[in-house]
Amino acid sequence: GAVVSQHPSWVICKSGTSVKIECRSLDFQATTMFWYRQFPKQSLMLMATSNEGSKATYEQGVEKDKFLINHASLTLSTLTVTSAHPEDSSFYICSARVEGLRVFGPGTRLTVL
Amino acid sequence: GENVEQHPSTLSVQEGDSAVIKCTYSDSASNYFPWYKQELGKRPQLIIDIRSNVGEKKDQRIAVTLNKTAKHFSLHITETQPEDSAVYFCAASISNDYKLSFGAGTTVTVRA
Repeated sequence: GAVVSQHPSWVICKSGTSVKIECRSLDFQATTMFWYRQFPKQSLMLMATSNEGSKATYEQGVEKDKFLINHASLTLSTLTVTSAHPEDSSFYICSARVEGLRVFGPGTRLTVL
Repeated sequence: GENVEQHPSTLSVQEGDSAVIKCTYSDSASNYFPWYKQELGKRPQLIIDIRSNVGEKKDQRIAVTLNKTAKHFSLHITETQPEDSAVYFCAASISNDYKLSFGAGTTVTVRA
């Protein structure tokens, strides 16, 4: 079946640094990918929708200059958390559409010290 | 935008009993309603979904019902087992291709 991978699976960084998270569709092409953030014991909150070859669409309240999304190919979307702070510590999950269903990546645990 | 409410937030059941989780949605245009199971630190896994042209769908011990008039849908798990313990999320979307809005989640604990 369709598989989405994410890299890294976890990352620890210092406050003020930038972190890039990769989301790849392994055996299918994903024209659209969705980026979610999940804080402990909370639901998945959609951050943005990324479309291959065009600018991402951000949800209300999500800073597009802080969370940079690039979807340069049909198999890769990246999320860069710029100038990360402790409040950005969270579980980041990407999701792609395939055959009418949503396939989720395994998530990336970001901890900002 | 779409607003999905989910109840209860926690549910503890005896092994073998049934578990029911209920969700309501706000956008009458929504027509796709998936349910996900998420174990701690893992990705959400689709367990069942229903589309608006269907009122009920069943897959072994799991069933989902949809009432479009009332804008609510429910997940039913029968003969619960310890491995059913997880967080369950409902979601709604106006189409297969559109973004999903998630409920707050229900933590289900099955007592042996």
